[in-house]
Amino acid sequence: QAQLVQSGGGLVKPGGSLRLTCAASGFSFSEYYMSWIRQAPGKGLEWVSYISRNAGTIYYRDSVNGRFTISRDIAKNSLYLQMNSLRVEDTAVYYCARAGGTFDIWGQGTLVTVSS
Amino acid sequence: EIVLTQSPVTLSVSPGETATLSCRASQNIRDYLAWYQQKPGQAPRLLMYAASTRAPGIPGRFSGSGSGTEFTLTISSLQSEDFAVYYCQQYNNWPPGRTFGQGTKVEVK
Repeated sequence: QAQLVQSGGGLVKPGGSLRLTCAASGFSFSEYYMSWIRQAPGKGLEWVSYISRNAGTIYYRDSVNGRFTISRDIAKNSLYLQMNSLRVEDTAVYYCARAGGTFDIWGQGTLVTVSS
Repeated sequence: EIVLTQSPVTLSVSPGETATLSCRASQNIRDYLAWYQQKPGQAPRLLMYAASTRAPGIPGRFSGSGSGTEFTLTISSLQSEDFAVYYCQQYNNWPPGRTFGQGTKVEVK
């Protein structure tokens, strides 16, 4: 069945970098838009970034624009989020999700903690 | 930017009873509204899309209604596994359009 498995994340100091990976299986990865969504501890869901099927269209929420980079590798059926210049307020569980009109398949989530 | 406001923040319901959750949009989003369920330590799960269409595998006790700016998720005959946080999400305007409400926690009364 359709599945997204995430890796990456961890503890990083403010100003540091991390790369998240999301491996897709069970569906035709190249045919779907994809997104990253995050959830700060005890808080609600917050959309972070979005990439179209051919990566020709990419969007970011304002607070991460210029610091985060979303990308995808069709050959590896993988989605990535490169996070640079991390801030304390970026601390959250990050989810990748298949993005049609809605987010119908989610990864298991990975915790990113930004702390000195 | 469209803002989604969910009410109540917390809903206390006894098992077997009906829970009614509300989601209000700051602008007309037609029926481009989805609902998600999230249990502690788990990723959200899509319950409903197009305001009233159940996602595959979602039991019939979940129903959605509404259009425009007012939406409702109804959970009939609450089961133990239904106690969770529920989020609405609109996908009418893009970008940044895919915004979420702040969530409603359904807890055991």
